[in-house]
Amino acid sequence: GAVVSQHPSWVICKSGTSVKIECRSLDFQATTMFWYRQFPKQSLMLMATSNEGSKATYEQGVEKDKFLINHASLTLSTLTVTSAHPEDSSFYICSAARLNWEPLHFGNGTRLTVT
Amino acid sequence: GNSVTQMEGPVTLSEEAFLTINCTYTATGYPSLFWYVQYPGEGLQLLLKATKADDKGSNKGFEATYRKETTSFHLEKGSVQVSDSAVYFCALSDQGTGNQFYFGTGTSLTVIP
Repeated sequence: GAVVSQHPSWVICKSGTSVKIECRSLDFQATTMFWYRQFPKQSLMLMATSNEGSKATYEQGVEKDKFLINHASLTLSTLTVTSAHPEDSSFYICSAARLNWEPLHFGNGTRLTVT
Repeated sequence: GNSVTQMEGPVTLSEEAFLTINCTYTATGYPSLFWYVQYPGEGLQLLLKATKADDKGSNKGFEATYRKETTSFHLEKGSVQVSDSAVYFCALSDQGTGNQFYFGTGTSLTVIP
């Protein structure tokens, strides 16, 4: 089945540094990937829709200069949290679908802790 | 607009008990409906899906039927196991809105031996 790999699975960084999270579709090409943020015991909050070869579409309230998304190829999207602060600590999850009408397949998430 | 309303948890059941997690939706078009499961520290995994009215999705003993008349997609399992302890998310996808997914708030299930 469709597999989405996310790396790293957890990261601890110091305040003010930047962190890059990778999301890869391993056995299919994904024109569109989605980035979510999940707070403890809460649902997923869609941050942005990442389109290969074009700029990401950010949801209202998400700072595009802070959360940089690059969809470099049909199998790779990256989320960079720039100048991270403790309030950015969260669980970040990416997802992708092979075709528009297919279910989303999720990565295993990245636990970011900013100290 | 599109939205998903999901039964609030947490839910605690004894092993072999019957499980129902309610999910209702509102949609402007003809959505596909999904249940995802999230185990601790992991991403979401697709549990089952239904793409049109009266379809029944099933997997690993879980079932859900797409009921257009009641706009519902309740998740059921006849006999839960400890390994079913997880958070369950109901979701819909509407092609009319570019296949954007809408998730419920999630229901935490704990099964005790």
